[in-house]
Amino acid sequence: AQTVTQSQPEMSVQEAETVTLSCTYDTSENNYYLFWYKQPPSRQMILVIRQEAYKQQNATENRFSVNFQKAAKSFSLKISDSQLGDTAMYFCASLGGGADGLTFGKGTHLIIQP
Amino acid sequence: DTGVSQDPRHKITKRGQNVTFRCDPISEHNRLYWYRQTLGQGPEFLTYFQNEAQLEKSRLLSDRFSAERPKGSFSTLEIQRTEQGDSAMYLCASSLLLGGETQYFGPGTRLLVL
Repeated sequence: AQTVTQSQPEMSVQEAETVTLSCTYDTSENNYYLFWYKQPPSRQMILVIRQEAYKQQNATENRFSVNFQKAAKSFSLKISDSQLGDTAMYFCASLGGGADGLTFGKGTHLIIQP
Repeated sequence: DTGVSQDPRHKITKRGQNVTFRCDPISEHNRLYWYRQTLGQGPEFLTYFQNEAQLEKSRLLSDRFSAERPKGSFSTLEIQRTEQGDSAMYLCASSLLLGGETQYFGPGTRLLVL
């Protein structure tokens, strides 16, 4: 069984600041994937960034990057130059190599203040 | 590019009634997933299909729940004899086999059982 833990229920930063959201996970799989999804208020879940566990290089998508520490089973998300539109729930999720369902954390509510 | 669509977006029903939700995945995606999300929580995996075959069911999926994907395209999720505890957002996602395991989510169906 896989577990995902997000220890920050809510975070608030000023616009243009950099913020890091934490995520730890546990899995017995050798081959797995990690994801960060964003869920704006009353809107659908959208993919922010993904990481294949076999890749050592940290994934980057524009202002979003991850710090993937495989030995520590840590997968944090860094948002640079935060924007008002980044305000949302952020969910960390894992997927085992057997292509079963995603396991999600409880989420972090990120608020970007003007 | 049409995304994942779900119908209806909202459903209010009385306890004991049956309800059915529909999900239309991204057209070329052969995997389809159902999740349930309660307020303040991350989504929880319910079941998934590869083409028309239902390959995995979570323990969360009680006998009152049934899902189908008869022609490997759209899917339906039926809840029989609804209970107040079934009130939640029901999310559908789809992915492409060998497509990097990324799941794309629909807008969800919000169910309220009175």
